[in-house]
Amino acid sequence: QVQLQESGPGLVKPSETLSLTCAVSGYSISSGYYWGWIRQPPGKGLEWIGSIYHSGSTYYNPSLKSRVTISVDTSKNQFSLKLSSVTAADTAVYYCARHISSSWADAFDIWGQGTMVTVSS
Amino acid sequence: SSELTQDPAVSVALGQTVRITCQGDSLRSYYASWYQQKPGQAPVLVIYGKNNRPSGIPDRFSGSSSGNTASLTITGAQAEDEADYYCNSRDSSGNHLRVFGGGTKLTVL
Repeated sequence: QVQLQESGPGLVKPSETLSLTCAVSGYSISSGYYWGWIRQPPGKGLEWIGSIYHSGSTYYNPSLKSRVTISVDTSKNQFSLKLSSVTAADTAVYYCARHISSSWADAFDIWGQGTMVTVSS
Repeated sequence: SSELTQDPAVSVALGQTVRITCQGDSLRSYYASWYQQKPGQAPVLVIYGKNNRPSGIPDRFSGSSSGNTASLTITGAQAEDEADYYCNSRDSSGNHLRVFGGGTKLTVL
């Protein structure tokens, strides 16, 4: 059974860097799939942040690209998100998810429980 | 265009059929995926690809697509289907963007 678990600080100061990690169990990241980050501001909809392949190739949301870095550590079977220069607008629940990306389907099939990150001084 | 448009709210009587729609130019090229989200919980994938259900998703959930519109149909809605539903697709402009619709709040009466 594949499971994903986000971890990281729940409070980040404005202008600092938000850092989260997603630990994957029940599946080896090296075996394939993309792995993605999605966020949801309180009371609002979902926003895709970016995705990474086990080889390290990445796709980012153009609206966040200048501030986002997603990396993978296959030895620890986890992947990470860094979002720099955060503001209150980055306050959200952050989800990690397994990302199916093929010619016949594109979907996030397994999600972590999510972690709330608040940007405040 | 990178936008997916959904009706903010839809209601259905218990046991009846409801269709939730998602419109966007990218849907002419790519299938939508659909997610159910209940309060305080992570989204759950219910439909992906042409009309595929992940293991554990009831067969009352189905998907279809025509032109720039994708639809999620719930045949015989149950009380536990009350939730927010989001569609998601690739953007067709070649920039690898993934886009979510704004979500539809489904109320089961």
